[in-house]
Amino acid sequence: DAKTTQPTSMDCAEGRAANLPCNHSTISGNEYVYWYRQIHSQGPQYIIHGLKNNETNEMASLIITEDRKSSTLILPHATLRDTAVYYCIVHRDDKIIFGKGTRLHILP
Amino acid sequence: GAVVSQHPSWVICKSGTSVKIECRSLDFQATTMFWYRQFPKQSLMLMATSNEGSKATYEQGVEKDKFLINHASLTLSTLTVTSAHPEDSSFYICSAIDFNEQFFGPGTRLTVL
Repeated sequence: DAKTTQPTSMDCAEGRAANLPCNHSTISGNEYVYWYRQIHSQGPQYIIHGLKNNETNEMASLIITEDRKSSTLILPHATLRDTAVYYCIVHRDDKIIFGKGTRLHILP
Repeated sequence: GAVVSQHPSWVICKSGTSVKIECRSLDFQATTMFWYRQFPKQSLMLMATSNEGSKATYEQGVEKDKFLINHASLTLSTLTVTSAHPEDSSFYICSAIDFNEQFFGPGTRLTVL
């Protein structure tokens, strides 16, 4: 089973920041937190990953709590093209097991 | 980032026939590739790990004789769905690793009539 818990769905107004939470209370010390998203009928797309420090790239920011038991993916200015299923995954080795993810709806 | 392609992007076949799906790493070499299956409104399910030059490792519940995987080169893995039936209709996605990052292909939609 997936080792993360995410809300099933979320709505966000276009232009606002989308904050997607993820719980991973059983994460071990050498496991990374990865975020991917899947737009309808496409393959998953890598967004960002981190170990314990907060990370930022051109797509998003990742905030990891100090105890590493949860994290938040932040899309700073959501657009309609950000409508997708967002997967939070923790893993150390190569194999990725997907959970159910969060279906993010961006509202015009 | 690295690019992974799949061919075909979609295929329709008759029940009982076999279908081959190709997964290629276009600008890097991949000793390990992964195959996933995704049914409508569900998450991706890992089917198998494909290792170049050796046998694939299948996840529990996946029939290795039905889903044949061949990883004969560092840039190509193939998945053959043998004697396909309507319940095999699904979205098949592959991924490959480059510098510890995993990149996904665009997927192949298989419809078995």
